[in-house]
Amino acid sequence: KQEVTQIPAALSVPEGENLVLNCSFTDSAIYNLQWFRQDPGKGLTSLLLIQSSQREQTSGRLNASLDKSSGRSTLYIAASQPGDSATYLCAPQGNTDKLIFGTGTRLQVFP
Amino acid sequence: DTGVSQDPRHKITKRGQNVTFRCDPISEHNRLYWYRQTLGQGPEFLTYFQNEAQLEKSRLLSDRFSAERPKGSFSTLEIQRTEQGDSAMYLCASSLAGAFGEQFFGPGTRLTVL
Repeated sequence: KQEVTQIPAALSVPEGENLVLNCSFTDSAIYNLQWFRQDPGKGLTSLLLIQSSQREQTSGRLNASLDKSSGRSTLYIAASQPGDSATYLCAPQGNTDKLIFGTGTRLQVFP
Repeated sequence: DTGVSQDPRHKITKRGQNVTFRCDPISEHNRLYWYRQTLGQGPEFLTYFQNEAQLEKSRLLSDRFSAERPKGSFSTLEIQRTEQGDSAMYLCASSLAGAFGEQFFGPGTRLTVL
């Protein structure tokens, strides 16, 4: 059974810092991994999808890496801004197509 | 707006009542998923469809829960005889079939059972 852990659970940083959010998963037999952002009381916004054959994916100030064999992914946020404040969720997808989520990292970026 | 839509956005009901939620996926997407999220937790998978066919159901989906996607477009999720433990955010997502199908989520339906 796939289990996903995200560290840290919460993070509070001043604006401008570069951040690393960590995600680990127990079953390395995955097809892809998605990172999402969730604002309070809202749905999920897809940030990045990394296919199992890829090691890295970039979108603007976001960069996600995947080490499938060790069961790890990291989300790097460059030059953080107050608008980045949200909960970040990672979710690997296996051969059953469903996403398995961690409990997320709650990020607060203050001015 | 061509994203995933859900209706209603909020539902308050009394214990024992039945409720039904609707999800409209992105138009060209043939897969539709339902997830449930409780406070402070990540979403948990409930069920998913490819076109009209319901391909998988989680053990979380008790006999009181039923989902349909009759014409392979929108889907409904019904909860019968609601319990306080059913209070949660119900999220719908859609994707194109395939191993790399990115899932896109709707805004969710917040259910409160009194």
